Amino acid sequence: KNQVEQSPQSLIILEGKNCTLQCNYTVSPFSNLRWYKQDTGRGPVSLTIMTFSENTKSNGRYTATLDADTKQSSLHITASQLSDSASYICVAYFGDKLIFGTGTRLQVFP
Amino acid sequence: SQTIHQWPATLVQPVGSPLSLECTVEGTSNPNLYWYRQAAGRGLQLLFYSVGIGQISSEVPQNLSASRPQDRQFILSSKKLLLSDSGFYLCAWGTERPTLHFGNGTRLTVT
Repeated sequence: KNQVEQSPQSLIILEGKNCTLQCNYTVSPFSNLRWYKQDTGRGPVSLTIMTFSENTKSNGRYTATLDADTKQSSLHITASQLSDSASYICVAYFGDKLIFGTGTRLQVFP
Repeated sequence: SQTIHQWPATLVQPVGSPLSLECTVEGTSNPNLYWYRQAAGRGLQLLFYSVGIGQISSEVPQNLSASRPQDRQFILSSKKLLLSDSGFYLCAWGTERPTLHFGNGTRLTVT
């Protein structure tokens, strides 16, 4: 069964701290994986795209990793800011289809 | 640059009333267009997608329908809303390299 699971479901951290969000996917044939950021009441916005051959990709304070063998991806946020408070959604692409994870809700407090 | 507009932002409708949500895209031609629904605690669910005018594919049989009367216009409709239709509806457009660009969504509450 094709599925994407994210953990934790929610996370609270203090401003300036780092955090890591996890995504486990089971899709075939795997094409690529994307992380989206969704602010409350807004549509998701793409952060990074990871293809099968890529292990690490950075976008500012966001670093995504991909392990195609274990079918795991992580999103690491460095020096968190209040504006990082949002839901982070992992999306796995297989063929011309895609599956969304349920997201991790991150709250950054001052 | 490409932009996507979706309205209204929020909507409260009684059960049994009709629905029409509109989405338009600017700055691109012949985009693939999508309607998603996001329920609390669940991933985005694809409802409809369209690869061209008048071409609609339905992913989940339900109380909703979609139409694409113009190249950059996508409409989500219902003749009679159900309580279970409540949710956050997102329109998106995509390119050949499958990056989805989402609108800001419509929060629909059916009472």
